[in-house]
Amino acid sequence: DTAVSQTPKYLVTQMGNDKSIKCEQNLGHDTMYWYKQDSKKFLKIMFSYNNKELIINETVPNRFSPKSPDKAHLNLHINSLELGDSAVYFCASSQDRTEPQHFGDGTRLSIL
Amino acid sequence: EDKVVQSPLSLVVHEGDTVTLNCSYEVTNFRSLLWYKQEKKAPTFLFMLTSSGIEKKSGRLSSILDKKELSSILNITATQTGDSAIYLCAVELGTSYGKLTFGQGTILTVHP
Repeated sequence: DTAVSQTPKYLVTQMGNDKSIKCEQNLGHDTMYWYKQDSKKFLKIMFSYNNKELIINETVPNRFSPKSPDKAHLNLHINSLELGDSAVYFCASSQDRTEPQHFGDGTRLSIL
Repeated sequence: EDKVVQSPLSLVVHEGDTVTLNCSYEVTNFRSLLWYKQEKKAPTFLFMLTSSGIEKKSGRLSSILDKKELSSILNITATQTGDSAIYLCAVELGTSYGKLTFGQGTILTVHP
């Protein structure tokens, strides 16, 4: 059983398009996160939701908008995609601060 | 600005060797330090170190936190080809729930 699942695994699209990435966790965790991993493998947090409430909102372009319909789901919508958005996007979840974050397998986004 | 630095950036060894990976941090209000292993997809959790748990061990892997030196090491003894991966170090701050600041990772390659 996949604990943190993301869809799609790969996303190839053109500049200017709008796309969404979905994330679901079946661990019963209260907190979910979005990370971006660039070509140098550097992982950087973007957003975090705790029980559907936004608690971390790093300095990312406002073209990126997270949405959490319930505590098991955290989706990422990106408007007007740019070349620099090409990266692997990871979703993660955790129960609380005493427990580690569990990561999904990532979504590789390629902008043509 | 909070910073996490890992060294070396890459390491090539042969099976059976022992390796030590380093992680140093400059952050305000340290809470915990985590080690992850990333093979092809999701980073997988290895250890979490805090003020109350500065040494962890699991099989051939062990890790120590040195709060005085603001650093941590990850040791792998009797390396195997399956240990080849990127090893990521991350620090969580006390002031920001769940926000992990990652280092750039160490790429470990173990040859047969």
